[in-house]
Amino acid sequence: DVKVTQSSRYLVKRTGEKVFLECVQDMDHENMFWYRQDPGLGLRLIYFSYDVKMKEKGDIPEGYSVSREKKERFSLILESASTNQTSMYLCASSPSDRFIAGGPTGELFFGEGSRLTVL
Amino acid sequence: SQQGEEDPQALSIQEGENATMNCSYKTSINNLQWYRQNSGRGLVHLILIRSNEREKHSGRLRVTLDTSKKSSSLLITASRAADTASYFCATDARFNKFYFGSGTKLNVKP
Repeated sequence: DVKVTQSSRYLVKRTGEKVFLECVQDMDHENMFWYRQDPGLGLRLIYFSYDVKMKEKGDIPEGYSVSREKKERFSLILESASTNQTSMYLCASSPSDRFIAGGPTGELFFGEGSRLTVL
Repeated sequence: SQQGEEDPQALSIQEGENATMNCSYKTSINNLQWYRQNSGRGLVHLILIRSNEREKHSGRLRVTLDTSKKSSSLLITASRAADTASYFCATDARFNKFYFGSGTKLNVKP
């Protein structure tokens, strides 16, 4: 079974701190994603990566950066945490061999989520 | 925005009844997927239906897709208390970008 592991289930940080959220997948997937989930807003894509050292902005990249130095690991970085970044963060991965012309066809495999509170 | 919208936002039924959730979206898609999320957990993929398919079944799940109306429905038959969760539709029209709705919260009472 595919396993996507997020390093911390719960974090509490202070405004201005630098925050690292780590995600590791064990199925050699090319694509990895970071979403944030807020009540009433669904899941919103922050960043995604389709290969090592490759990244693309999602819909809400402001205030975030990412790092993908190894295929299995995708990190989300909050350079200076703010209270409006309090949220549930979800990492996901998918294989690229299911891509066909026009877009991906495969399912996303999600981690358990990291609930971040910024005070 | 491409984001899908689920309807209703919340649904409460008795065990054994059927549960129907709807999803509407705004632009053309390649496929539509349904996911389930237990409280405080990650999402789990349930079923994928391609844009050229109209209906798909998986166990107690039945998904329909009407591309002319830009809508999909998820039917869970003979619901169980363990089906209590939030259900999300996700669409993809652009490379690598999956758009999720805000979900339907299903409560199945024993």
